[in-house]
Amino acid sequence: QITLKESGPTLVKPTQTVTLTCTFSGFSLRTGVVGVGWIRQPPGKALEWLALIYWNDDKRYSPSLKSKLTITKDTSKNQVVLTMTNMDPVDTGTYYCARMRRYCSGGTCYSDAFDIWGQGTMVIVS
Amino acid sequence: QSVLTQPPSVSGAPGQRVTISCTGSNSNIGAGFDVHWYQQIPGTTPKLLIYGNTNRPSGVPDRFSGSKSGTSASLAITGLQAEDEADYYCQSYDTILSAHVVFGGGTKLTVL
Repeated sequence: QITLKESGPTLVKPTQTVTLTCTFSGFSLRTGVVGVGWIRQPPGKALEWLALIYWNDDKRYSPSLKSKLTITKDTSKNQVVLTMTNMDPVDTGTYYCARMRRYCSGGTCYSDAFDIWGQGTMVIVS
Repeated sequence: QSVLTQPPSVSGAPGQRVTISCTGSNSNIGAGFDVHWYQQIPGTTPKLLIYGNTNRPSGVPDRFSGSKSGTSASLAITGLQAEDEADYYCQSYDTILSAHVVFGGGTKLTVL
């Protein structure tokens, strides 16, 4: 069974740096075309992709948030960590981590999709 | 404002068919990137509904189907059920600045 679980502080003050941890089980980030991403959702609003790290340490960031994000992985602990600097009240929301996998069928492989999501962790900036 | 444009809301009566559009551009859907769809029932985690434009993960009813053409994609739901009331999001990739994930703004489906 594949699971992901987010953890981190619930309440953060403006200008602070927050560290969110995604602890997963049931798959490995050591090999294979697999990654883990972070997605957030302000209260009552849409999903917003933040960052992504692949098994080969390839890292991708949202262009609009790149300057305040850092994503890393610890394969020995099965964890992916997202660090966000200079937190602002607009950063309030639920933060999800999700596994990214590449589906292939009949010789065709598709763009990667988030197939398994964590339950999310609420971060309030105030 | 999202890179992928979805209607804010759609509605339909039980048993009816509804479609949700996802409009992009030549830097994302039109560039050949696949579209995925997610369902988020209120108060729950998003769930992958359609991957690779038209494919359903195991366990997703065949009432849900996807399509893609040019710079747009669509999600169709037939035989609407009350349990389908949720927010639906499309997702793809964009190549402006660097290859990155993009989500649509989401569509609220109301079952009348």
